[in-house]
Amino acid sequence: EAGVVQSPRYKIIEKKQPVAFWCNPISGHNTLYWYLQNLGQGPELLIRYENEEAVDDSQLPKDRFSAERLKGVDSTLKIQPAELGDSAVYLCASSRWRGDSEYNEQFFGPGTRLTVL
Amino acid sequence: AQSVTQLGSHVSVSEGALVLLRCNYSSSVPPYLFWYVQYPNQGLQLLLKYTSAATLVKGINGFEAEFKKSETSFHLTKPSAHMSDAAEYFCAVRFYGGSQGNLIFGKGTKLSVKP
Repeated sequence: EAGVVQSPRYKIIEKKQPVAFWCNPISGHNTLYWYLQNLGQGPELLIRYENEEAVDDSQLPKDRFSAERLKGVDSTLKIQPAELGDSAVYLCASSRWRGDSEYNEQFFGPGTRLTVL
Repeated sequence: AQSVTQLGSHVSVSEGALVLLRCNYSSSVPPYLFWYVQYPNQGLQLLLKYTSAATLVKGINGFEAEFKKSETSFHLTKPSAHMSDAAEYFCAVRFYGGSQGNLIFGKGTKLSVKP
């Protein structure tokens, strides 16, 4: 079974430029998560999708960040314009949501490391 | 407020020595608890999880963790460290109610293993 796929793995851009990250979850996983991981910190949730619906985007900075999950499979996270402080690793994870049970194991992709110059 | 704390951002042990990574949570109701490992330039991999069954949980790669309600702790241990255990370890919790399914991660503990 293929894992969570993310691309690109690395991205270097100048500030004020736009950038987009792509995530393909594990087949059959209806829940998709985007996390931000700053250097030396644990991941922090940005947005959670259940199928096509963003059920929790309370931590997504909506002035510059946007996300979509068309057709409930792949997802794209966009930043426009990027700022120096956006340099971090962006992780995507997916799970098969079965209600409030222990089966909600999240599987993580390798992440995209963004450097904003 | 509900939170998770990992004591020690960096732990160094000798190969063959005991590994102990500490995790405490703050909640009136025991949450689901997880330990993840992250190798350089890779995503997080689940080591083990506590889901209100047995308080001593065994995971992959010889790791185990014990849930202690009285101490609100879920420390990760391994009897004998191996060089391949060098990585960053994250404790995570999922609280009941609120945002279902959302994990809250600790800041991580980087484990170094000396030959």
